[in-house]
Amino acid sequence: AQKVTQAQTEISVVEKEDVTLDCVYETRDTTYYLFWYKQPPSGELVFLIRRNSFDEQNEISGRYSWNFQKSTSSFNFTITASQVVDSAVYFCALSEAPFGNEKLTFGTGTRLTIIP
Amino acid sequence: DGGITQSPKYLFRKEGQNVTLSCEQNLNHDAMYWYRQDPGQGLRLIYYSQIVNDFQKGDIAEGYSVSREKKESFPLTVTSAQKNPTAFYLCASSILAGAGTGELFFGEGSRLTVL
Repeated sequence: AQKVTQAQTEISVVEKEDVTLDCVYETRDTTYYLFWYKQPPSGELVFLIRRNSFDEQNEISGRYSWNFQKSTSSFNFTITASQVVDSAVYFCALSEAPFGNEKLTFGTGTRLTIIP
Repeated sequence: DGGITQSPKYLFRKEGQNVTLSCEQNLNHDAMYWYRQDPGQGLRLIYYSQIVNDFQKGDIAEGYSVSREKKESFPLTVTSAQKNPTAFYLCASSILAGAGTGELFFGEGSRLTVL
């Protein structure tokens, strides 16, 4: 069975500090997809990134970056120069479906608080 | 604006009552999902539907029922058989399963409290 572990329940950092959110996954499939979602106080989850198991290249999008390492089954998310608007709950998720669709398994989430 | 609309946002129910949560999308997505969110447990899949008039159980379907009579609508009924229904319920949709990017689009959720 697939499993996603986000060991950090809550993190608080002062604005402008860098912060890394950890995600460790378990799956027996060789083809799988990993995701990060952001849940702001309004409640809806917002898609941040999708990565398939054959693409281990790190990705950077503005202040956000993701480090995918199959050797350690990890897909960590780093926010550089954090801002108050980054305060939210962040979820890592895994899908074993062929095209990364449906039946995502979510981690328990990490609540990130950015202190002004 | 395109998106997913869930209603009501807050709902209170007495024990023994059934309650239906509404989910409507105007994104023309084929697949729709219901997730339950509890503190410290992340999101768990209740039901999903890939096509009209068809739906599949997720990991925690007991005590819930759904219907998919129209592409844009996927209501969830929380029945009296659900032992611990107090939770935050999230509806989501995605482009045709098997051809999409894997991105789920979420509504703002419905918070159900059983009194």
